[in-house]
Amino acid sequence: DAEITQSPRHKITETGRQVTLACHQTWNHNNMFWYRQDLGHGLRLIHYSYGVQDTNKGEVSDGYSVSRSNTEDLPLTLESAASSQTSVYFCASSDGIVAKNIQYFGAGTRLSVL
Amino acid sequence: QKEVEQNSGPLSVPEGAIASLNCTYSDRGSQSFFWYRQYSGKSPELIMFIYSNGDKEDGRFTAQLNKASQYVSLLIRDSQPSDSATYLCAVITNNDMRFGAGTRLTVKP
Repeated sequence: DAEITQSPRHKITETGRQVTLACHQTWNHNNMFWYRQDLGHGLRLIHYSYGVQDTNKGEVSDGYSVSRSNTEDLPLTLESAASSQTSVYFCASSDGIVAKNIQYFGAGTRLSVL
Repeated sequence: QKEVEQNSGPLSVPEGAIASLNCTYSDRGSQSFFWYRQYSGKSPELIMFIYSNGDKEDGRFTAQLNKASQYVSLLIRDSQPSDSATYLCAVITNNDMRFGAGTRLTVKP
């Protein structure tokens, strides 16, 4: 079955380190998204991509970067991890018209920055 | 004002009752509306989507959209303990999806 997988599921890192969270989908979806979820804020969009070589900033993109070299993967990099980036990170993908897209979510990565 | 607002709850209903979840949004140009369910420690999963004014029914779930009043609601009939979860409202405006903070629903046996 097609799916979307995130790795690692849990990560502990230190302030200042570079961290990369992986997201891989086998649906052949054009659109991929990264969110973070914090208590009281719901899901907030970090970065998104509508296709290979396309990346866009979301509402909370500072300190994060993504690259899209193929359809299946959208890794999220924290350039220099900060304690404020402790959160649960979700990757999602969708296909078709973005204005009506239904997003399918990965299981999430719980990141702790100490 | 937040772009998508939900009552954080918790909302508690007895088993078999109707649960009513509400969401308001700030941009009149918003195009598409979604309800996701999220169990504790799990990822969001789609329950309903609605694009046009009116009601849309799917089993025990009904989504209601009123663009003039800028609100969307989710009704859950015959609520079951397994419906206990956080329900996230999501709105697409100019191809940008924004989520509310979610309403926590508890269905008591």
